[in-house]
Formats: sequence, structure tokens, C-alpha cells
Amino acid sequence: LAKTTQPISMDSYEGQEVNITCSHNNIATNDYITWYQQFPSQGPRFIIQGYKTKVTNEVASLFIPADRKSSTLSLPRVSLSDTAVYYCLVATNTGRRALTFGSGTRLQVQP
Amino acid sequence: DADVTQTPRNRITKTGKRIMLECSQTKGHDRMYWYRQDPGLGLRLIYYSFDVKDINKGEISDGYSVSRQAQAKFSLSLESAIPNQTALYFCATSEPRMNNEQFFGPGTRLTVL
Repeated sequence: LAKTTQPISMDSYEGQEVNITCSHNNIATNDYITWYQQFPSQGPRFIIQGYKTKVTNEVASLFIPADRKSSTLSLPRVSLSDTAVYYCLVATNTGRRALTFGSGTRLQVQP
Repeated sequence: DADVTQTPRNRITKTGKRIMLECSQTKGHDRMYWYRQDPGLGLRLIYYSFDVKDINKGEISDGYSVSRQAQAKFSLSLESAIPNQTALYFCATSEPRMNNEQFFGPGTRLTVL
């Protein structure tokens, strides 16, 4: 599985856009980039997945450059409820290997 | 996610006791997983099962065992609990063609005294 590197923590204020970047230099051709969100004492929740370029859903956008060696999760106009840990994972969707969650990025949103 | 349930939600036990954590799912997924999370850390995989007859060890399987009783049920056992197994335990499921989209249960908080 491709190793990922993301910031340990980030701080923001309500209403701001937050961008969390993840590095995955050894991403393989069949790998997808997936982001999860975890609130305290809850299980992680899948928020977005992409292969290349840009993916957008009702929660976030995911930007992936052409070389796919990094990705950026963008959260528009964050609120206090976006305070959580965000995990970046890289893996193939159809493989027989389980996901590996790192320590994630702890986002703290202030009023 | 209400489709993945875990019992019990909280458990306090003593060193040396046998403990079973249960996970049930109504999503119809073939793949099920058990993770452990320690305070301030990410999730670590204990065991995973890709179908009823397939059981695989994760990165921290020592001290744990599992049973996949049916497609919908995946149990985690601590044969002889020890204090450093105090943690939050999560069960998750996924479909074979969407392995990266896992659905997590609410977690079981286990304390071993």
C-alpha cells in the first residue's frame, strides 16, 4: 500500500475554506485516493474518493494533480461541526488487502 | 451507521477474562473488519474477512481471535484480556468492488482493569 503523509493538525475559523494536503509519492496505477472523517468516539465516515483531476460532492472537493503524487481535500466554509480527524488513504478498490489508516489530520475549527 | 451495529457499546472487565465483541450488519456486504483505536491515534487493523470462509490477520492480531458466523456477523474475542487491550474497537464492512468505502459501526469502548 502506498504510504501517505499529511499534516498532524490544522486550525481554522468558521466560514473559512480549509485545504488538507496529502502526499503519496509511490501511488500505484490502480490506486484510488480516499478520505475519511472521524468525530470523537465515532467510527470514521467515508467522505470522498477520486482517481484523478477533481471530484466534488455535497461535503467536500478532492483535487488530484496529473502526477497523482499528492491530493488536496477542500472543505468549503467550515463550521464548528467540521472539527474532526481527517484520514487520507491510498489503495486499489478491488484488491484483497485491507486499508491502512494513519494518524490523520486533526482539524480544529474555532468560532 | 445504523446498518452496522456493535454490542456491547461499553464494557469493563478484569485482566484474564474472556471477552467477545459482536458485530452485525444489514448492508449485505461480504467484507468485514475489526479495528482498534487508542487515544489520539489512528485505527489499527486486527482481523479482516472477505467472505464467510476467509479470515485474515491484520497488523495487530496477537491476543485476539475472530469468528465469521455468517455473512452478517463477525465477532472479535479476547481470550484472556490484558490492560493494554483497553481501547475503542470498531467493526466495518465493505463491498468487494468498493473496498475503499468502508462503513463503520459505532464502536465498543473496552476497559480492562
